[in-house]
Amino acid sequence: DQQVKQNSPSLSVQEGRISILNCDYTNSMFDYFLWYKKYPAEGPTFLISISSIKDKNEDGRFTVFLNKSAKHLSLHIVPSQPGDSAVYFCAARGSNYQLIWGAGTKLIIKP
Amino acid sequence: DAGVIQSPRHEVTEMGQEVTLRCKPISGHNSLFWYRQTMMRGLELLIYFNNNVPIDDSGMPEDRFSAKMPNASFSTLKIQPSEPRDSAVYFCASSSMTSGSDRWAFFGQGTRLTVV
Repeated sequence: DQQVKQNSPSLSVQEGRISILNCDYTNSMFDYFLWYKKYPAEGPTFLISISSIKDKNEDGRFTVFLNKSAKHLSLHIVPSQPGDSAVYFCAARGSNYQLIWGAGTKLIIKP
Repeated sequence: DAGVIQSPRHEVTEMGQEVTLRCKPISGHNSLFWYRQTMMRGLELLIYFNNNVPIDDSGMPEDRFSAKMPNASFSTLKIQPSEPRDSAVYFCASSSMTSGSDRWAFFGQGTRLTVV
């Protein structure tokens, strides 16, 4: 039973355009949601987070939107750059500070 | 700080052999996590420690897997005996319970395990 789902295994976006990565969750008790970015042969690195009491958090080119009624969050990257090509993991923080992870979405930015 | 350090980076072993993966968390972090990443299942939490004490090991797949944290600066994940289906990338991560960016997990570079 996957509590955090990323339904798109991969996404291809033209450089300069907006990339939108989606994530759905089932547990309404999660208090924080996070996005991590992972390059090949490296560990995931923290990108941006959002508290469950907010609906938007912005950091430079990255914005995360949270829709609690739909149990859905999304990461927007605009404009997309070649260095954004990576696997993006969505995670939610549950009890005992555990992070529950999605399976990841591979983002490919085309020049 | 050097970040979370894992060793070895790559391990190739024969089925049935014992494998030990090592992790040094970031100094001052009081939580440590072991994850496994596979193509089929993505990133799975195996076990996590808080203040060197195992809190939740429900993700450990079988009794062949064991993890220890003898002190705040070192942890091991052991597989004995190893099987081909254990082949994966194993990540260690650490975090702090304080506020700020340190409350989110910092990952090591991972150990790529291949069991043949």
